[in-house]
Amino acid sequence: DTGVSQNPRHKITKRGQNVTFRCDPISEHNRLYWYRQTLGQGPEFLTYFQNEAQLEKSRLLSDRFSAERPKGSFSTLEIQRTEQGDSAMYLCASSLPTGWSYEQYFGPGTRLTVT
Amino acid sequence: DAKTTQPPSMDCAEGRAANLPCNHSTISGNEYVYWYRQIHSQGPQYIIHGLKNNETNEMASLIITEDRKSSTLILPHATLRDTAVYYCIRTGTASKLTFGTGTRLQVTL
Repeated sequence: DTGVSQNPRHKITKRGQNVTFRCDPISEHNRLYWYRQTLGQGPEFLTYFQNEAQLEKSRLLSDRFSAERPKGSFSTLEIQRTEQGDSAMYLCASSLPTGWSYEQYFGPGTRLTVT
Repeated sequence: DAKTTQPPSMDCAEGRAANLPCNHSTISGNEYVYWYRQIHSQGPQYIIHGLKNNETNEMASLIITEDRKSSTLILPHATLRDTAVYYCIRTGTASKLTFGTGTRLQVTL
């Protein structure tokens, strides 16, 4: 399967702990996006990278959140000092914009539960 | 934020066409209309997009009104596997997608 992969698929952690998620985009896709989705809502944009450069961050991305894409391939999203409000599905997507085509391809997500 | 309006839910009988409407009355000239769907517990899946002409691919057809203020996604022969939340998104950039709450389509026997 050459789609977007995310690990882990599920994470349960206690409040105050740090967690890190990994996203492997489709090979050669130069753009990588992170979204967060809570129950009953559509995904909300968090941040995106073009190659290794982080080009945009949402105000949802508080100081406790940090994302990296060190070599322009996989990306990690870290949440420090987790809070119960961080419980959500964290989705990663990648794209290779060509002309006016901006399709994003999503991974299966990492479901975070903070207890 | 770019906004669209969709009905919260729709039902469709299996084998029939599902027509999902979307209102985007304030769409800008450089914004495309994109449709994604999200099957339960999966990531969103790209369906189709268009600017002003009608589009068709193997999954669906997209009909955009001449004034571009609204569009309709058509699934010509809905199956149970088409049960999902369908999102209509307008975007003129390659950065973020702004999702609303979408239309929950339930396909029934």
